[in-house]
Amino acid sequence: AQSVAQPEDQVNVAEGNPLTVKCTYSVSGNPYLFWYVQYPNRGLQFLLKYITGDNLVKGSYGFEAEFNKSQTSFHLKKPSALVSDSALYFCAVRPPRNTDKLIFGTGTRLQVFP
Amino acid sequence: SQTIHQWPATLVQPVGSPLSLECTVEGTSNPNLYWYRQAAGRGLQLLFYSVGIGQISSEVPQNLSASRPQDRQFILSSKKLLLSDSGFYLCAWGRRQNQPQHFGDGTRLSIL
Repeated sequence: AQSVAQPEDQVNVAEGNPLTVKCTYSVSGNPYLFWYVQYPNRGLQFLLKYITGDNLVKGSYGFEAEFNKSQTSFHLKKPSALVSDSALYFCAVRPPRNTDKLIFGTGTRLQVFP
Repeated sequence: SQTIHQWPATLVQPVGSPLSLECTVEGTSNPNLYWYRQAAGRGLQLLFYSVGIGQISSEVPQNLSASRPQDRQFILSSKKLLLSDSGFYLCAWGRRQNQPQHFGDGTRLSIL
């Protein structure tokens, strides 16, 4: 079965330190990969995507993600965390030949401490 | 630019009452439209999606239904709400498969 895993329910990091939010997927073929962020009582906001090409993709608010095909991972990173980055982060996969639906991970809550 | 609107933002309904949540998209035509439910601030469950007017696919059998009476309007309904229908309902639109889905700000539904 196709799936997305975010192994950490919560990630804690001090402001100014680098952060990583992990995502692995189990999808046959070459999927499209996405990261979203959700602030309290708001909808999901698109951060970045990987379609093809360079394995390191850059997105909004200084976030970037590294695609690793051999490890089927798409980890979200930021060199220097801000308190305002504290939110819920979702990884999502659109399998190839599926034009309609995304498969979402269960989300990782990022807490950045001052 | 494209925008998506959902209303109401919050709703408190008694068990057994009907429901109608509305979602509209502006600035694009013939979008794919989606209804998700998010329980306890965590994972998203796809409820319905639509690729065109009158075309609805249901992902999970349940007490809810969806309709798409116009190209950019998507409605989530129920005839009789259950306690288990409580949650945060999100509408989203999308186009080509290599493009992200875009979400509205959701409706928080509480059933008493």
